[in-house]
Amino acid sequence: AQSVAQPEDQVNVAEGNPLTVKCTYSVSGNPYLFWYVQYPNRGLQFLLKYITGDNLVKGSYGFEAEFNKSQTSFHLKKPSALVSDSALYFCAVTGASSNTGKLIFGQGTTLQVKP
Amino acid sequence: EAGVAQSPRYKIIEKRQSVAFWCNPISGHATLYWYQQILGQGPKLLIQFQNNGVVDDSQLPKDRFSAERLKGVDSTLKIQPAKLEDSAVYLCASRHRRSNTGELFFGEGSRLTVL
Repeated sequence: AQSVAQPEDQVNVAEGNPLTVKCTYSVSGNPYLFWYVQYPNRGLQFLLKYITGDNLVKGSYGFEAEFNKSQTSFHLKKPSALVSDSALYFCAVTGASSNTGKLIFGQGTTLQVKP
Repeated sequence: EAGVAQSPRYKIIEKRQSVAFWCNPISGHATLYWYQQILGQGPKLLIQFQNNGVVDDSQLPKDRFSAERLKGVDSTLKIQPAKLEDSAVYLCASRHRRSNTGELFFGEGSRLTVL
């Protein structure tokens, strides 16, 4: 069965510092991995995805994520955090061999960036 | 390009009453999803449509939840009768094709409170 784990309920960083939001996954075969962000009372917005190729993928708003197959991880990173990055972040996975393509989401990590 | 439209944004009902949510996906998107997001959890897939056919409804509580997408465009999710544990945000999402590599586009959600 597919699953996603986000081990931290909340991550706190100071503005200007680098940030990392962790994600590990379990899926049969090759994974397709996604990060979404959710602002209060809004829907989920797509940030980036890993399908194949370079393990470091770049996305919206300066975010990037590193795929590590041996550690089954897909951590979200940003070199310099902004206060406006404060939001709820979700990691999601589907299997390349899935016949439905449905996304399984983690429980979410709240990112708090303090000035 | 218009995004995924959902209505109503907020709904408060008493237990055992019924409620319906409406979703209009992005034009041309054949795949439509309804997710349930309970406070503090990640979105959980309720049902997936490909055009007007159901692809996956394995996690839909069919004794009380129903959904349809009669003309392969907009969709309605109904709950009857509602229970307290149905309090959640109901997110509609769409994707251009059934391909596993495409990201989902989400609406802003319909927040249901059951008293």
